[in-house]
Amino acid sequence: DIQMTQSPSSLSASVGDRVTITCQASQDISNYINWYQQKPGKAPKLLIYDTSNLETGVPSRFSGSGSGTDFTFTISSLQPEDVATYYCQQFDNLPRTFGQGTRLEIK
Amino acid sequence: QVQLQESGPGLVKPSETLSLTCTVSGGSVTSGNDYWNWIRQPPGKGLEWIGFIYYSGYTNYNPSLESRVTISVDTSKNQFSLKLSSVTAADTAVYYCARENNGVGFDIWGQGTMVTVSS
Repeated sequence: DIQMTQSPSSLSASVGDRVTITCQASQDISNYINWYQQKPGKAPKLLIYDTSNLETGVPSRFSGSGSGTDFTFTISSLQPEDVATYYCQQFDNLPRTFGQGTRLEIK
Repeated sequence: QVQLQESGPGLVKPSETLSLTCTVSGGSVTSGNDYWNWIRQPPGKGLEWIGFIYYSGYTNYNPSLESRVTISVDTSKNQFSLKLSSVTAADTAVYYCARENNGVGFDIWGQGTMVTVSS
C-alpha cells in the first residue's frame, strides 16, 4: 500500500494567514493526489483533484502543488469557515489511501 | 445532480454481518465513468477506503478487509451495497458511500451512517 504522511497533524492560525499542509507519499505517485475538507459531523468534500485542479465552486484561496512524492496544500488567506480537518488521498494505485488528516483551527 | 444516501442498521452484534445500501439518485450506477465506493471513519479517526464496484460487477477491495468484504450492485434499483462479515468493535465507524468519477477523486459522498458493533 502507498502510505500518505501528512504534516502537521494539527495547526492553529489567524484569520488572513497563509496556511500550508504537506503530504508525502511513500512512493512516486506522479500527480495523482486529491485534497478533501471535512467539517465536524459532515462528509468530506473534494477541494482539489489531480494535485492542483480546483473542484467547481471551491474558492480560489485554496491551491495545491507538487509531484512525485511531495505535495503541498495551501490556503492563501485563512477564513473562519475554513476550520476543518483536511486530508490528502492518492489515486495512483489501489488500495486508495488517505493521509491521517490535519486539524485546522483559528487562533 | 447526483446524490447518494446510505441506509441500514445502526447497531450490529459482534460476529454478525454488517449490511448497508447506497441509493443513487439524479444519476445512474451504470455510468461508464464512475466507480462506486465505500469508505469508513472510526470515531475521532481518519478515513479508510473499503472498496469499490463498477456497474459491470468488477470490484476491488482493501486487502486489510478483503476476506470479510463483499460489494455488490443492483442496477435495477440504482443501488450498491456493502456486506462486512464477522464484525468486531473495531468495525464501529461512520460508513460513507462515495462516487469516484473518472478514477480521479471522490467527488460525491453520502451523508454517512454510523454503525456501532455491540452486543
